Amino acid sequence: NAGVTQTPKFQVLKTGQSMTLQCAQDMNHNSMYWYRQDPGMGLRLIYYSASEGTTDKGEVPNGYNVSRLNKREFSLRLESAAPSQTSVYFCASTRDSPSSYEQYFGPGTRLTVT
Amino acid sequence: KNEVEQSPQNLTAQEGEFITINCSYSVGISALHWLQQHPGGGIVSLFMLSSGKKKHGRLIATINIQEKHSSLHITASHPRDSAVYICAVLFTSGTYKYIFGTGTRLKVLA
Repeated sequence: NAGVTQTPKFQVLKTGQSMTLQCAQDMNHNSMYWYRQDPGMGLRLIYYSASEGTTDKGEVPNGYNVSRLNKREFSLRLESAAPSQTSVYFCASTRDSPSSYEQYFGPGTRLTVT
Repeated sequence: KNEVEQSPQNLTAQEGEFITINCSYSVGISALHWLQQHPGGGIVSLFMLSSGKKKHGRLIATINIQEKHSSLHITASHPRDSAVYICAVLFTSGTYKYIFGTGTRLKVLA
């Protein structure tokens, strides 16, 4: 099993450009999450999806959209990138069983917006 | 005030020392997750616990639900333990979400 995979690993964008970060998991997990990590701050939830076809806003959703394409895939889109979106982005998933809500993380995407 | 506070923020230890990292939280939680983030950036799960104590190798995690406090201990520390250790609390207010601490950066010197 590959676990949680993310692409790309690194990306540089100019202000106003758009891009989609891809995330996939092969563990048959129900819930998937997108976080951003900034220096001096904890991971912050951007969007999450409790099941295929559903998505909900997290703590910092402005400037982002998401799509839960199927149970495996959860993508994050930046429609018009801004320098404030320079960050490291992590995708995660959980099994959501009564005995375990342990999160499994992807390797991260380091995004720089100039 | 952050809902999840970790201390210390930074910690330097000599190889072999016993290390303690603390996590305090202010919300009611279902469980607490300790994570390790390597210098390369990857995040791995160490423990998930909702009561008592768990041990894995040289790592021990404890939680006191009444006091809203958890500790992560590393015995016989080694330079390869150098990483950022992150505490995350799982709370259930209608749905299941995590709140993360800002992490404790540990450096173990040989």
